[in-house]
Amino acid sequence: SYELTQPPSVSVSPGQTASIPCSGDKLGDKYVCWYHQKPGQSPVLVIYQDSKRPSGIPERFSGSNSGNTATLTISGTQAMDEADYFCQAWDSSTANWVFGGGTKLAVL
Amino acid sequence: EVQLLESGGGLVQPGGSLRLSCAASGFTFSSYAMSWVRQAPGKGLEWVSAVSGSGGTTFYADSVKGRFTISRDTSKNTLFLQMNSLRADDTAVYYCAKQTRGYLESAFGIWGQGTMVTVSS
Repeated sequence: SYELTQPPSVSVSPGQTASIPCSGDKLGDKYVCWYHQKPGQSPVLVIYQDSKRPSGIPERFSGSNSGNTATLTISGTQAMDEADYFCQAWDSSTANWVFGGGTKLAVL
Repeated sequence: EVQLLESGGGLVQPGGSLRLSCAASGFTFSSYAMSWVRQAPGKGLEWVSAVSGSGGTTFYADSVKGRFTISRDTSKNTLFLQMNSLRADDTAVYYCAKQTRGYLESAFGIWGQGTMVTVSS
């Protein structure tokens, strides 16, 4: 089955840029979505189709996807961005959605 | 305003059944694919099942195939998940999610608040 791999944690200083990678075999051939989830809350879509932002998501969130790695980038990271971040891709070979294990972003 | 409200969770014994519901409002229900996603305590997200906007196409994760059935009632704007032969590892918060298009490959744009399912004797 298809797997997406994320680092368990990433830390960043306030105002700096955070990069969260998500890797999978030929991931660049698939569309990737990203979600954040704060403690006790439901997930929220922040990036879809690799790099598109839903309405209401700040411009500091951006995404890219090439080769075997997709990356969520948060520019000018704020304390409110502390959350778990999950990548997601559609595996057409199995007709299954796959989530990465999640990355806890700490803004220190 | 788009809203999704899950219900039907609770405590069930191993081997038992539960039926989850997700009442949708604020959008044309039949125009969008819908999914169920679960999250075990302290763990990550696991996609469970999806149904197309028309209801004609359904997909399941291997972990629930043959035990769970997804369905939708357009007249009631409600999504369902019938869960049979429940196991301890099915214990999780179950979220319903509205996808951004009618097809199953679209992103999960709106999530409900979740309903807790606990499988234990």
